[in-house]
Amino acid sequence: RKEVEQDPGPFNVPEGATVAFNCTYSNSASQSFFWYRQDCRKEPKLLMSVYSSGNEDGRFTAQLNRASQYISLLIRDSKLSDSATYLCVVIDRGSTLGRLYFGRGTQLTVWP
Amino acid sequence: GAGVSQSPSNKVTEKGKDVELRCDPISGHTALYWYRQSLGQGLEFLIYFQGNSAPDKSGLPSDRFSAERTGGSVSTLTIQRTQQEDSAVYLCASRSQGAGSYNEQFFGPGTRLTVL
Repeated sequence: RKEVEQDPGPFNVPEGATVAFNCTYSNSASQSFFWYRQDCRKEPKLLMSVYSSGNEDGRFTAQLNRASQYISLLIRDSKLSDSATYLCVVIDRGSTLGRLYFGRGTQLTVWP
Repeated sequence: GAGVSQSPSNKVTEKGKDVELRCDPISGHTALYWYRQSLGQGLEFLIYFQGNSAPDKSGLPSDRFSAERTGGSVSTLTIQRTQQEDSAVYLCASRSQGAGSYNEQFFGPGTRLTVL
């Protein structure tokens, strides 16, 4: 079983739509969680961290459910510029080497 | 400030040749990672360096792949006797692991390797 599993996608939504991505992780000792964004033929970049209490950054909301080992990303009022691949990332607690585990990514296309 | 840089940006080589890919991490970042990404695929972890600790080489796909990090800064990924299946974008990333850090990992622009 992979460390991090994501919705297979792709998601194709119209501008203004609300879309949600899900991610599950297998290691209950996981400590830190992030969403990265990767544009076509570009390197991944940090979108936002995911905190236990949930956090919001403008149109983006991230949620963490430790009991279910589940992370989500909600995008409201989608823009054309949101089209990208969204990567779920997990870091294990107690990992002295701090390796990050990446999901395969969920592709989003927002159409006009 | 300067981000992670990689060179070359593109590399075309013939099957069987050796290649070296270079990564310059962000100054002061103690952790350095190599990944590869094939077209339309996710990130595949290759190797991770953290300070003076022994690197985590668990992701290297074969003994044709090796990496070094000199002086705790610049890293070189070497692929010997390249095969067509080695064609991919090779991404390097660095991260600061000081107290209070957000553990954000910064990626370089990648080296696109094509093996003919």
